[in-house]
Amino acid sequence: DIQMTQSPSTLSASVGDRVTITCRASQSISSWLAWYQQKPGKAPKLLIYKASSLESGVPSRFSGSGSGTEFTLTISSLQPDDFATYYCQQYNSYSLTFGGGTKVEIK
Amino acid sequence: EVQLVESGGVVVQPGGSLRLSCAASGFTFDDYAMHWVRQAPGKGLEWVSLISWDGGSTYYADSVKGRFTISRDNSKNSLYLQMNSLRAEDTALYYCAKDIGREGAYYFDYWGQGTLVTVSS
Repeated sequence: DIQMTQSPSTLSASVGDRVTITCRASQSISSWLAWYQQKPGKAPKLLIYKASSLESGVPSRFSGSGSGTEFTLTISSLQPDDFATYYCQQYNSYSLTFGGGTKVEIK
Repeated sequence: EVQLVESGGVVVQPGGSLRLSCAASGFTFDDYAMHWVRQAPGKGLEWVSLISWDGGSTYYADSVKGRFTISRDNSKNSLYLQMNSLRAEDTALYYCAKDIGREGAYYFDYWGQGTLVTVSS
């Protein structure tokens, strides 16, 4: 199975900060990567697919980049609604795998 | 509006069995693959199983292979997960999730709210 490693596991930031989360794959997954946001007690919400495509309705302050084995999710200016846990997910193979998550906390 | 509503989660003893259901509405159910994804309390997301649009192809995580069976009834717009030989480590919130394609192995554009399975004596 392809292992997905996210860093950092926790990130403390302030409203207005630029935030970057990294996701690394144990082997090349081309651009077959999605990002989700999850708030406490809620289901995950799709943000980004195919590494850099923004899902409809997602604010443009979210962006994704990368290919191969290294990917990033960037929030250009952190808003109060963005404090949540973020997960990457690879879909290069039928055995889908998620990263361990990055919790974005208020500084 | 797409809706996925899971049910069937309960407290069950180790070694026991359980069947989860997911009722889908708001989209053409038999046009899409479907998944089960779980989340242990306080932990991250773990993909469990995938079924193609017609039920012809199924895939499982190694952690559940041979114990869990995914199925669907397109006439009832419903997805199922039969869980046998349950273990404490199967304790989790189980989400039903819609794939963006027919054959699956892509990403999830809609999720249910989950049903809690607790395996404990």
